[in-house]
Formats: sequence, C-alpha cells, structure tokens
Amino acid sequence: ETTVTQSPASLSMAVGEKVSISCKTSTDIDDDMNWYQQKSGEAPKLLISEGNTLRPGVPSRFSSSGYGTDFVFTINNVLLGDEGIYYCQQSDNVPYTFGAGTKLELK
Amino acid sequence: EIQLQESGPGLVKPSQSLSLTCSVTGYTITSGYDWSWIRKFPGNKMEWMGYISNSGSTNYNPSLKIRISITRDTSKNQFFLQLNSVTTEDTATYYCARLDWELGDYFDYWGQGVMVTVSS
Repeated sequence: ETTVTQSPASLSMAVGEKVSISCKTSTDIDDDMNWYQQKSGEAPKLLISEGNTLRPGVPSRFSSSGYGTDFVFTINNVLLGDEGIYYCQQSDNVPYTFGAGTKLELK
Repeated sequence: EIQLQESGPGLVKPSQSLSLTCSVTGYTITSGYDWSWIRKFPGNKMEWMGYISNSGSTNYNPSLKIRISITRDTSKNQFFLQLNSVTTEDTATYYCARLDWELGDYFDYWGQGVMVTVSS
C-alpha cells in the first residue's frame, strides 16, 4: 500500500497570497496524483487529475506539479472562496490512498 | 447531469451491519466506469473502501476485505454498501463516487455524503 504524507495540516493565508501544499508518497507513482477541494458541508470536488491536468471549469489559479514521489499543489492569488480542506490522492495502485488533508483558512 | 445520492440509517449499533444505498441519475452504472464507496472519519482522514465495476466485479480495500460487500441493482441504477461487525471506529461520513478510469483513475462525481454514527 502506498502511504501519502501531506503537509502542512493547516494554513492561514491572506487574500492574494500563494498557497503551497506538499504530498510525498512512499512508492514511485509516476504522475498518478489527484487533488480535491472540500468546502464545509459539501462533497469533495476534483480540481486536478493525473498528469497535473486541470479539470474543466477549474480556475487556472490552481495548479500542481510533481512526478515520482514528490508533489506540490499551488493556489496563486488565493481568494476567500478557496477556504476548505484540500486532499491529495494517489491513483497508481489499489488501495487508492489519500493524504491527511490540509485545512486552508483565509484571514 | 450525473448525480449520486447516498441514503441509509444515520445510527448503527456496534456489532451490527451498516447498509447504505447510492442512487445514480444521469448515467447508467452498467455503461462504464467503476462505482466506489469512500469514507471520511472525524478528524478528516479519508479512506477508499472499494468499488463495483460496470460489469459487476468488485475490488475492496484489504483493510476491510472480510467485512465489506458492494452490490448493485441495475434495474434501479443503484449500488450498495454493506459493512459487517461495525465498531465505533466505523463512525464516519460515507460517500459514493464515480471512478473514471478512461484517462486515468480519479473520482470525478461524488454524492453529498451520509453521516453514520456507530453507538449503542
């Protein structure tokens, strides 16, 4: 099973700042990493899929990079509406596993 | 528009079975993709539990393999989760989700989730 280590656990940012979230995997997963946003009371929403592919309708402020075992998710010019919990999830092998989540708060 | 909706009891007693239904609209579950159950524990940890494929085969998380069963009713376009011998550790919000494997593996449609508490 591939373990996904996500950091930081929480972030407090000001509007307009840049957010960076790291995920490291215990095995090489190529670029098989997905990123989700979950706002309070809502279902998780897929933002970026394997190969650092931005999903249709997702603003270009969101991006990701990485290959192998080290991955970074970035939000440029963070907005109030970006508050929520962000998860990475590896899809290279079963069982699919998630990072522990990063709670993003806007000051 | 594809929509998934979970339903089932919000309270289950320890040692009993947890049974949930996922109703899918806007897409026929036998047409393609895999149909998953995922849960989120208090404290935000997420766990993929398993899926049933469009052909009816299943794949389960080994951590749950002896307790879990995912089945479906194609006439109602629903799939189901049964988790046996539950404990308080199974208290979580349960989500059903579609696993898109055409261009990669990712969960692209999710239900709103149903909170299940295991307590006597």
